[in-house]
Amino acid sequence: GNSVTQMEGPVTLSEEAFLTINCTYTATGYPSLFWYVQYPGEGLQLLLKATKADDKGSNKGFEATYRKETTSFHLEKGSVQVSDSAVYFCALSGVDGNTGKLIFGQGTTLQVKP
Amino acid sequence: GAVVSQHPSRVICKSGTSVKIECRSLDFQATTMFWYRQFPKQSLMLMATSNEGSKATYEQGVEKDKFLINHASLTLSTLTVTSAHPEDSSFYICSATRFSGANVLTFGAGSRLTVL
Repeated sequence: GNSVTQMEGPVTLSEEAFLTINCTYTATGYPSLFWYVQYPGEGLQLLLKATKADDKGSNKGFEATYRKETTSFHLEKGSVQVSDSAVYFCALSGVDGNTGKLIFGQGTTLQVKP
Repeated sequence: GAVVSQHPSRVICKSGTSVKIECRSLDFQATTMFWYRQFPKQSLMLMATSNEGSKATYEQGVEKDKFLINHASLTLSTLTVTSAHPEDSSFYICSATRFSGANVLTFGAGSRLTVL
């Protein structure tokens, strides 16, 4: 079936460190891929997305490249800040004929220490 | 930009009572709304897809008689948890899209339900 797998957290980094959060997926067809962020006590916000293979999504210094050959969509940021502390969810859509339906990974908690 | 509002943000109720959660698209007409459930430290699980003017489509394993969804207008969908029990305590999040079948979703901030 369709699924998303993320690296387990929590991930704890010092400010200005390099961040990678791994995400791999299993899907039929050609899904769109997303990263969502959830700050404490808030709902989800779209961070970035990519709709086809080799596309790179980017926003606020974060980026992720849609790799069809490795079925991956790893999230990276060159220098994290304390304000980046949040839960990050990788997700896919466009399967089962419903492009509005999202399948989420389990989420990865990022803690950035000053 | 598109804004989705959920109300209430937090609700505490007694076991056996029913609770209604509203999801409103404030500045656009939402053709489709989705309801998710999030358990502590876990991912979001899609409960149902709601299209305006028609019955909601529930995911496998979700009790439609327990989680009543109504999408009476293009800006409002409601989720009613009937005869709530402590195991229904969770974070419920809605999302909405103005385009049918498109990958453009806006999420609400969520509603935390605690059933005593």
